[in-house]
Parts: sequence; structure tokens; C-alpha cells
Amino acid sequence: DAKTTQPPSMDCAEGRAANLPCNHSTISGNEYVYWYRQIHSQGPQYIIHGLKNNETNEMASLIITEDRKSSTLILPHATLRDTAVYYCIVRVASSGGSNYKLTFGKGTLLTVNP
Amino acid sequence: GAVVSQHPSRVICKSGTSVKIECRSLDFQATTMFWYRQFPKKSLMLMATSNEGSKATYEQGVEKDKFLINHASLTLSTLTVTSAHPEDSSFYICSARVSARPSYEQYFGPGTRLTVT
Repeated sequence: DAKTTQPPSMDCAEGRAANLPCNHSTISGNEYVYWYRQIHSQGPQYIIHGLKNNETNEMASLIITEDRKSSTLILPHATLRDTAVYYCIVRVASSGGSNYKLTFGKGTLLTVNP
Repeated sequence: GAVVSQHPSRVICKSGTSVKIECRSLDFQATTMFWYRQFPKKSLMLMATSNEGSKATYEQGVEKDKFLINHASLTLSTLTVTSAHPEDSSFYICSARVSARPSYEQYFGPGTRLTVT
């Protein structure tokens, strides 16, 4: 069962902020939100993760709503190299059990245009 | 971030032969590694979970005798595709989980493109 919903595609102008939404209305209290991206013909790249607080690192910012039912990944200044499929995944952070797996949906194809 | 390598990056083999793909965590120890397969224009599909020193756990529909997984050390897991057929041609990606971090994030290798002729 899909636990997240993302738009299939988005466009963004180079240099502008890219805001990628993700709905996870059935998220549990112990589930993290993870974001990965996959550039064509490469392995997925970890971007960021969060539980309930907003997070920022050198790649992106993650904004999680107060009710935790949705989140937004923000790439502050998109470049052409940010063109990729972005995956939003929810998962518990535990060492075992069937729900520790990262299950990939279809993601959002972000195209950054010059 | 943590680095995961895969070897080879590309391999072409003849139908009926076996191919081994290596996955290494370069700067961290990984008690758990994962193997995914990705067909063109599709998302990643988890094949199996590999735990160091024990048998791998396969997802439903994945033949354990065809896709042999060995995780003999904390930095190396291997996937062997036995008696490969053209339908096994795919992009195989491994992932390693950082056990030492409380959020258990996973890092992925660059993938191996397998073509069976």
C-alpha cells in the first residue's frame, strides 16, 4: 500500500526554489519522513530526513506540517543537475521488523529548466 | 555522507552463465544491506534484505536459488545471479543501512547494469 502521495512531475526554473510536496496522511508517530532522489541511471541519493521538526542541510530543507500529514522538500536554488526523480518515503527508524524497509513509490520527476 | 560502492558498474553475460555483483560500504559498517532491482522507467523494487552473518530475507516472488546473496562481513555483500536469462537484464542497486545512527538512514550504491544476451 502506498503510504505517500507525490505529484508525478514538476518543473522549475534554474536558480529558483523548487518546492516538492508529499502527502503522508497516515503517518504514525514513530515514522520518519525520508527524501531521496535518483538521477537517471544512478543509484538513489539520500537528501534529508525528519521526524517532526523542520530540518536543513547543505542540500535541502524539509518542512513538516504540525500534524505531520504532509511535508515539503525545498531546494533553495535549483540547478540543472537537480533534475531527477524525488522520492518521499515514510518509515520507522528501527533495527528490524517488516516495516523498516524503504519502499519506493513513483516519486516526482523534477525537471529544472534553463 | 556514507559511501557505498558497487562492482561492476556494467556487465554483459551470455544466457545460462552466472554473474556476481559486489556491494561495499566504504566508510562505515553495515550490518544490514539491501538489494533492489529497477526496470526501465519503473521504480526500485526491493529484492532481499541481507544481514551480516545470517541468511538473507527475500521478498515475495524473488527466487532465492536464482539470486544468491552473501553478507560475510560488515562491509561487503554480494549478489549472484545464477543461470542468467535475458529477462534478468536490469539495473541492480544495493543499499547499506547505517546501524550506528538512530534514524537508520540508508545509502545506495551507484548500481550495476546487467545485460544478458
